[in-house]
Amino acid sequence: GNSVTQMEGPVTLSEEAFLTINCTYTATGYPSLFWYVQYPGEGLQLLLKATKADDKGSNKGFEATYRKETTSFHLEKGSVQVSDSAVYFCALNNQAGTALIFGKGTTLSVSS
Amino acid sequence: SAVISQKPSRDICQRGTSLTIQCQVDSQVTMMFWYRQQPGQSLTLIATANQGSEATYESGFVIDKFPISRPNLTFSTLTVSNMSPEDSSIYLCSVVREIKAFFGQGTRLTVV
Repeated sequence: GNSVTQMEGPVTLSEEAFLTINCTYTATGYPSLFWYVQYPGEGLQLLLKATKADDKGSNKGFEATYRKETTSFHLEKGSVQVSDSAVYFCALNNQAGTALIFGKGTTLSVSS
Repeated sequence: SAVISQKPSRDICQRGTSLTIQCQVDSQVTMMFWYRQQPGQSLTLIATANQGSEATYESGFVIDKFPISRPNLTFSTLTVSNMSPEDSSIYLCSVVREIKAFFGQGTRLTVV
């Protein structure tokens, strides 16, 4: 079946450090891939997405590239800020209109 | 995008009682999804609610424990029945527009 595996957290970084959160997936066909973010006390919101192989999603300085050959969608940011502290979820959707499948989430904590 | 109003935002309930969570979407959708997010865990899909038919439950979730109503294309309720402390979680409703998922703010339930 379909599944998402992302690196265990928590990830603790200093401000301006480079961030990578690994995400790999198992799916039939060609799923769409997402990163969602949950800031403290807030709801889930879409951070970025990619719908086909080699697509790069980007938003707020974050990037992730859909790598079909490695079934990965790693999240990166060149210089994190304290305000990036949140829980990040990798997710996939194999069929339009159906529920997303989420990874376990990775907590990022950035200190100044 | 989609605007989803979910209530209550939080509640503290006695064990053995039931709580009904409401979710209102700003426009019609075919399917609505209910998730549970246990403390420090990822989102687990409870069920898919279709208008005019019974909800479809995921493995490990049953209708007697989590009855769902879907009276029209913009509204759904999830009831958590005969609650125990293990039901303490955040419950989220979600809709998918094309491939993107949108979420309510969540209901933080504490069972004492």
